[in-house]
Amino acid sequence: EVQLVESGGDLVQPGRSLRLSCRTSGFTFDDYAMHWVRQAPRKGLEWISSVSWNTGSIAYADSVRGRFHISRDNARNSLYLQMRDLRPEDTAFYYCTRSIWFGTSFFDAWGQGTLVTVSS
Amino acid sequence: EIVLTQSPDTLSLSPGDRATLSCKASQNVGSTYFAWYQQKPGQAPRLLIYGVSTRASGVPDRFSGSGSGTDFTLTISRLEREDFAVYYCQQYAVSPLAFGGGSKVEIK
Repeated sequence: EVQLVESGGDLVQPGRSLRLSCRTSGFTFDDYAMHWVRQAPRKGLEWISSVSWNTGSIAYADSVRGRFHISRDNARNSLYLQMRDLRPEDTAFYYCTRSIWFGTSFFDAWGQGTLVTVSS
Repeated sequence: EIVLTQSPDTLSLSPGDRATLSCKASQNVGSTYFAWYQQKPGQAPRLLIYGVSTRASGVPDRFSGSGSGTDFTLTISRLEREDFAVYYCQQYAVSPLAFGGGSKVEIK
């Protein structure tokens, strides 16, 4: 069974940092590009970052570029998102997702999400 | 950057009804790189359709997708109770990947 399990969400003050993790199982991790998609409470979905299978290609949405850093550890079947200089508008559920291709692709498996709340 | 506009915001229907959801793109996204997702309360999104019209594994055949260019449609031929949810469209033809704002299908 394909599983993606996010962790690391928390309540943090504006300007602080946070690191999210996504542990995966049930598939060959390094066959897939991996992504983070977020959803503010009661709002729509927003793609924020992607990493290719070997970290050779990385992309960010304008809203997080320069503040967030995506990484992966294929030996641990895990994906990460280092977030710094957090803002109230970063408050959202953060989902880990996968796709066969980097760049132009759809997302065929999702984690259950982890909630990041940025508030003083 | 491509913007996707979904309509209607909310569709109130009864079980057994046909649901037609629309997604309009601000630019031509071709006829291949389009997907639809279903999200129920408290759950992650679930892939329903990719490649405009290909159902994902396990998706019932009452779900169908169509369209090209700037106009795409998700049709649910006969609503079952488990189909009442929010539906999102997504284009993956052009970076950055983009989602629509969602359409809610609620029980009338």
